[in-house]
Amino acid sequence: NAGVTQTPKFRVLKTGQSMTLLCAQDMNHEYMYWYRQDPGMGLRLIHYSVGEGTTAKGEVPDGYNVSRLKKQNFLLGLESAAPSQTSVYFCASSLWQGLAEISGANVLTFGAGSRLTVL
Amino acid sequence: DAKTTQPNSMESNEEEPVHLPCNHSTISGTDYIHWYRQLPSQGPEYVIHGLTSNVNNRMASLAIAEDRKSSTLILHRATLRDAAVYYCILTSTSGTYKYIFGTGTRLKVLA
Repeated sequence: NAGVTQTPKFRVLKTGQSMTLLCAQDMNHEYMYWYRQDPGMGLRLIHYSVGEGTTAKGEVPDGYNVSRLKKQNFLLGLESAAPSQTSVYFCASSLWQGLAEISGANVLTFGAGSRLTVL
Repeated sequence: DAKTTQPNSMESNEEEPVHLPCNHSTISGTDYIHWYRQLPSQGPEYVIHGLTSNVNNRMASLAIAEDRKSSTLILHRATLRDAAVYYCILTSTSGTYKYIFGTGTRLKVLA
């Protein structure tokens, strides 16, 4: 059981290049999230998805696009990378949020992170 | 979205109890209180969560104020491996699916 897997773990881009970060979970979770974490800062929510085919904006969505074509995958795209997007990106997933009396039903499971540097 | 407020940093001596506070004065009746921690160079990991009653698990205890406007994460015997950033967040069961993290409390454990 791999949990949440992020690829790639490291990437260096030049300004203006595009790339996609992949998040894959094997826990049949409904909800998936992308966060960014800048040095010495907390996590900020970029986009999230409440199910296959759905996406929604978080706190800092500008400059990013996402897709959830398959339930197990959540992709984060940068169409034209900027130095301000240099950060560590974390993906997370959770089973569901309704009926949270079921222990652990809405607990977040995080990936190990993807470190992106934009020169 | 309901927000939480935590001290930026705290220190504790090894093998002593640690009480990490969190204020959430705008909490609603459907919000759960979650705690996560982030060890250096790792992704955050779940610690504990609760709604109204105090909760215990193998990692920690969660004490929730009667009016639910604050809570405290209790590590009963801090170890060097507990040095991390601890995040207190609110999660709603009423249709708002965002998990908003603040800056957390950086816990330093002294040997």
